[in-house]
Amino acid sequence: NAGVTQTPKFRVLKTGQSMTLLCAQDMNHEYMYWYRQDPGMGLRLIHYSVGEGTTAKGEVPDGYNVSRLKKQNFLLGLESAAPSQTSVYFCASRGGADTQYFGPGTRLTVL
Amino acid sequence: AQSVTQPDIHITVSEGASLELRCNYSYGATPYLFWYVQSPGQGLQLLLKYFSGDTLVQGIKGFEAEFKRSQSSFNLRKPSVHWSDAAEYFCSVGEIDSGTYKYIFGTGTRLKVLA
Repeated sequence: NAGVTQTPKFRVLKTGQSMTLLCAQDMNHEYMYWYRQDPGMGLRLIHYSVGEGTTAKGEVPDGYNVSRLKKQNFLLGLESAAPSQTSVYFCASRGGADTQYFGPGTRLTVL
Repeated sequence: AQSVTQPDIHITVSEGASLELRCNYSYGATPYLFWYVQSPGQGLQLLLKYFSGDTLVQGIKGFEAEFKRSQSSFNLRKPSVHWSDAAEYFCSVGEIDSGTYKYIFGTGTRLKVLA
């Protein structure tokens, strides 16, 4: 039981490049979330999903897209990266008793 | 809109001293409240949570928190801090928005422990 995993752990992009962050959970959770963490701002919700095939916007969705083709995977895409997207990205899933389980994070730098 | 405030950005305590981290929330109904800890370069780990019932909740690593509805607070406490408690702590409130479960986080409190 690996819990929530994220790939990759680190990435450096140039402005305008694209990439996809992968989140996988093996707990059969319906809800999954993508957050970004910036100094002094806590965690802010980018997008979330309430089940396979569904996605919805969170607090800061601009510049990101997501897909949930399989229940266990939640992908976060950056089509044209900008320096403002330099951040640490966390994925989480929601389990029983309203508890979130977090992945280890992806540290992204956009030059 | 719901919000979570952690008024202390940084706190420094000596090892063995007591600790209290403050959290205030704004939420119309009975809130679901959480405290998480994040060590450097790591993800968030759940310390404790409050849903209902006893307003004093116990968590892992010797932490406890008290829910005070009249003050809209959910402060985290530990009677004796260990050097390994140095980390960043986040308070969070869970909300149901149009039938969807979402969570709002405070901006965090970074704890430094002096030997």
